[in-house]
Amino acid sequence: TQLLEQSPQFLSIQEGENLTVYCNSSSVFSSLQWYRQEPGEGPVLLVTVVTGGEVKKLKRLTFQFGDARKDSSLHITAAQPGDTGLYLCAGAGGNKLVFGAGTILRVKS
Amino acid sequence: DAGVTQSPTHLIKTRGQQVTLRCSPISGHKSVSWYQQVLGQGPQFIFQYYEKEERGRGNFPDRFSARQFPNYSSELNVNALLLGDSALYLCASSLAVSSGNTIYFGEGSWLTVV
Repeated sequence: TQLLEQSPQFLSIQEGENLTVYCNSSSVFSSLQWYRQEPGEGPVLLVTVVTGGEVKKLKRLTFQFGDARKDSSLHITAAQPGDTGLYLCAGAGGNKLVFGAGTILRVKS
Repeated sequence: DAGVTQSPTHLIKTRGQQVTLRCSPISGHKSVSWYQQVLGQGPQFIFQYYEKEERGRGNFPDRFSARQFPNYSSELNVNALLLGDSALYLCASSLAVSSGNTIYFGEGSWLTVV
């Protein structure tokens, strides 16, 4: 069974601080995706990483895929209240996505 | 263009009842997947359909069933509802079934079983 573990489960920080969310697995995934989900809404895709060692940047967000394609990280620089939400990583396993339990981020102004 | 649309957005059912949830994929997308998201957890894969055929099934009981129509829309049916079926049910669409295709989610249907 493919499992993805995310850490931390919950993060509460002040506006302007930096943070990193981790996503780890014992399985290899062909690609890994990061989603952001707000209360009452579906997950919204932020990025897909495919190549081991790949780094992608999306404004203040930096995503990295581990060399062995088993782990990934999301780093947010100078967090803002609008970044508040549930961050989910998901590994592509065949014809389905395997999700982690998510990291709840709260950015206080 | 419209994204993935789901209906109803919220519903309340009694234990033992049956429910049908509906999904329309993004125009041009032929694959539809269903996920269950229980409060505090990530989404769990239920089904994938492509070209009206089931292409994948997650670890859910036979009370859960689905189908895809010629226009690629889909329905998820859950029979004999249990309290534990209370969750956000997400529909996702993609162009095809390969893992390289981007998956887009709808806003979900909130099901509460009382």
